[in-house]
Amino acid sequence: KNEVEQSPQNLTAQEGEFITINCSYSVGISALHWLQQHPGGGIVSLFMLSSGKKKHGRLIATINIQEKHSSLHITASHPRDSAVYICAVPLNFGNEKLTFGTGTRLTIIP
Amino acid sequence: DVKVTQSSRYLVKRTGEKVFLECVQDMDHENMFWYRQDPGLGLRLIYFSYDVKMKEKGDIPEGYSVSREKKERFSLILESASTNQTSMYLCASSLGGGSGANVLTFGAGSRLTVL
Repeated sequence: KNEVEQSPQNLTAQEGEFITINCSYSVGISALHWLQQHPGGGIVSLFMLSSGKKKHGRLIATINIQEKHSSLHITASHPRDSAVYICAVPLNFGNEKLTFGTGTRLTIIP
Repeated sequence: DVKVTQSSRYLVKRTGEKVFLECVQDMDHENMFWYRQDPGLGLRLIYFSYDVKMKEKGDIPEGYSVSREKKERFSLILESASTNQTSMYLCASSLGGGSGANVLTFGAGSRLTVL
């Protein structure tokens, strides 16, 4: 069964800073998910990736399959990026059930 | 534009009551999930359904049961609510196929308080 570790648990930064959140997992996977949860809000899927890099606006997600590691980057961070970011991977390769990291709480100060 | 709808946003129940949490999706997804989310513990899977009437236990199924009589509806049942079931409950759905590479769509969540 996959184990997921995220770092840091909490991150506070000034508006405009470049943000990096890391995720490591223990078992080979078909795809890794990055999710976002705003305070009091539901969870939305940001990215699902199985190799390389994906970009959506100011958000970039990368994955290194060999090292079992992924990063989520936010460029030119803004207070509206303040949220909990969660990494999730399948329990094992091809499994529909996911295991989740405990999340990174990001706070961007104006 | 709502795709996964959870019937109740907030519920307050008494210990021992039977509680139904309903989830409906309109995307024709095969997979549906019930999670609970607690501070410091992240999301934990209660039950998973990959087809009508088909279900699998997740990490924490004790004290819960589920029903999926129609493809679009997945219900979570607490037969006798207890205070340790106070939590945020999240429903999600995804396409099937067994690839492990399907995007999840979540409902808004149901915050249950058991007194």
